[in-house]
Amino acid sequence: GNSVTQMEGPVTLSEEAFLTINCTYTATGYPSLFWYVQYPGEGLQLLLKATKADDKGSNKGFEATYRKETTSFHLEKGSVQVSDSAVYFCALSDLSNFGNEKLTFGTGTRLTIIP
Amino acid sequence: GAGVSQSPSNKVTEKGKDVELRCDPISGHTALYWYRQSLGQGLEFLIYFQGNSAPDKSGLPSDRFSAERTGGSVSTLTIQRTQQEDSAVYLCASSSSRVRGDGMGAFFGQGTRLTVV
Repeated sequence: GNSVTQMEGPVTLSEEAFLTINCTYTATGYPSLFWYVQYPGEGLQLLLKATKADDKGSNKGFEATYRKETTSFHLEKGSVQVSDSAVYFCALSDLSNFGNEKLTFGTGTRLTIIP
Repeated sequence: GAGVSQSPSNKVTEKGKDVELRCDPISGHTALYWYRQSLGQGLEFLIYFQGNSAPDKSGLPSDRFSAERTGGSVSTLTIQRTQQEDSAVYLCASSSSRVRGDGMGAFFGQGTRLTVV
């Protein structure tokens, strides 16, 4: 079956620090990979995605590259801001199921940025 | 509408009562999903709708849980005889995927926080 293993939190960084949140996956098919973010008091939002090997997803200064050889999709940002404080979820979906893109999520990583 | 809308946003119910949770997906989205977010289990898939049909119900935890979708739009998740372990945030998501997934990702509602006392 499909699974996602995500770096345990919580993670606390100073503003302008470099961020990496590790994510690895196991999938039987050809998954799409996603990072979702949940800001305090808000719903899940799609942050970025990649649909095939070597694709790089990017948004709001965050990046993640789909690495098939290492089955990884690590999230990075060069300089974090206080407003990036949130819970980050790595997820995958299998495109082979006739439109069923149910997501398998990692456990989430709580990120706190201190000024 | 502009986004996925869920109601109510909060629900407190007594153990043993039935509850109904509603989801209004983004207009035109044919795929609809229900998930549950709880402290102990993280984010779990419950059920997938394509139009009014539910080809994947594999995540429903027991026969107390059911869902329907009408008019290819609104969906209702019903929990009968609620138990304390049903306390969680129930999330609805929708996407435009039809036959073959396009990997575009789903859009989530704000969720319904259910507390069973």
